[in-house]
Order: sequence, then C-alpha cells, then structure tokens
Amino acid sequence: QKEVEQNSGPLSVPEGAIASLNCTYSDRGSQSFFWYRQYSGKSPELIMFIYSNGDKEDGRFTAQLNKASQYVSLLIRDSQPSDSATYLCAVNNSWGKLQFGAGTQVVVTP
Amino acid sequence: NAGVTQTPKFQVLKTGQSMTLQCAQDMNHNSMYWYRQDPGMGLRLIYYSASEGTTDKGEVPNGYNVSRLNKREFSLRLESAAPSQTSVYFCASSVTNTGELFFGEGSRLTVL
Repeated sequence: QKEVEQNSGPLSVPEGAIASLNCTYSDRGSQSFFWYRQYSGKSPELIMFIYSNGDKEDGRFTAQLNKASQYVSLLIRDSQPSDSATYLCAVNNSWGKLQFGAGTQVVVTP
Repeated sequence: NAGVTQTPKFQVLKTGQSMTLQCAQDMNHNSMYWYRQDPGMGLRLIYYSASEGTTDKGEVPNGYNVSRLNKREFSLRLESAAPSQTSVYFCASSVTNTGELFFGEGSRLTVL
C-alpha cells in the first residue's frame, strides 16, 4: 500500500466548473498536508497547505482535511484553462518525512 | 531573485560514467533536498540535508552520494551511472523540515 494515494486521472473539467481532487494517506500520525501544482515540464510549486481538520480557502482553492478518515482534498472553483496541470498531494508523516502522491492530472476544457 | 538553481538542466551519460548535479539556493534556507521524479511514481526523496553539515538518506539513496558544501549548496553525485537512474532530478529547499518546499527547475538525466 502506497503511503499517499491519488487518482492519476486525467480529470476532465469544463471551464468554470469545480474540480475536486482527492488524496488518502496511510499514516494516522501525519500532521501537515500540502498541495503542489506542476505544469508539464516544470517544477512543482506549493499552492496550499493545511494542518487542522476542516476547510482552508485561498482564492479559488479550498483544501479540506479529515484526519479521522485520513483524507485530504483540493477544490478548484471556477476552473480556468490555466489550471490544467498535475496536482501533487504531499503528507508530512509521523516520522517527519514528506511523502508525495503520484499526482492527479487535471485538464480544463474550454 | 534566483531562488533554487540547478545545473545542468540536461545531461546524457553512458552507463558507468559519473557526474555531479549542482544545486544552490539564495533564500537562506536551512534544509535542502534531492528528489527524482519518474512517470507514475511521483517524487521520491533521494537524500536530504536538514541543516548545514548534516545529510541523511531518503527513500531511494542507492547509487547516489551528496555533499552539503555550505548553507547555500547541496550537490548530488552519481558515481557509476545506470540506466535505472534515467529520471528528472529536482533540488528543493525549505526554511526548516516542514514540507513547504521551493523547487529548482529540474535536471533531466538520460543514462544510455
């Protein structure tokens, strides 16, 4: 079992719709959670982090964390073609090691 | 404002050759990392340095060595390259070991 699991996609989203990305993790002691965006051929860049259960909003992005279910998600509202990228979930586990998921590819169609 | 700079950006090696990937950051970060990224595998940690003078193995350290030359620079060396080391390598840095990483542009390595 992988420590951090994501659906690889591609997730096809009409422009203006909400993209919903999911991530599950295996280490119940994990404390901090991150979403990175990676455009094709580019390096990852941090877009969101969340430490507490609940929702955290930043512009069109909302991160949701449910530690009891070991589940973290990212919502992208009013999706734009510029949101087309691979989104990497990363989890700082109980050993202090950052584990990345394989990423979900999002394609926003005009 | 350069951030994290990696060199070279592209390299082709023959099996058995050696090379060093260089990384430098100008953000006064304490922690530095080397990752490799392969299709379908996500980012995997090779080595990291929590602070100047320390280095530790990550998930996939075999075949690699590192040097934290000073606070700014963290190099990755392949002593005898193998085709399995064909990958994209990313250097990253962070203030501390929190998960908020800043990545370099990547180095694409092909081993024939």
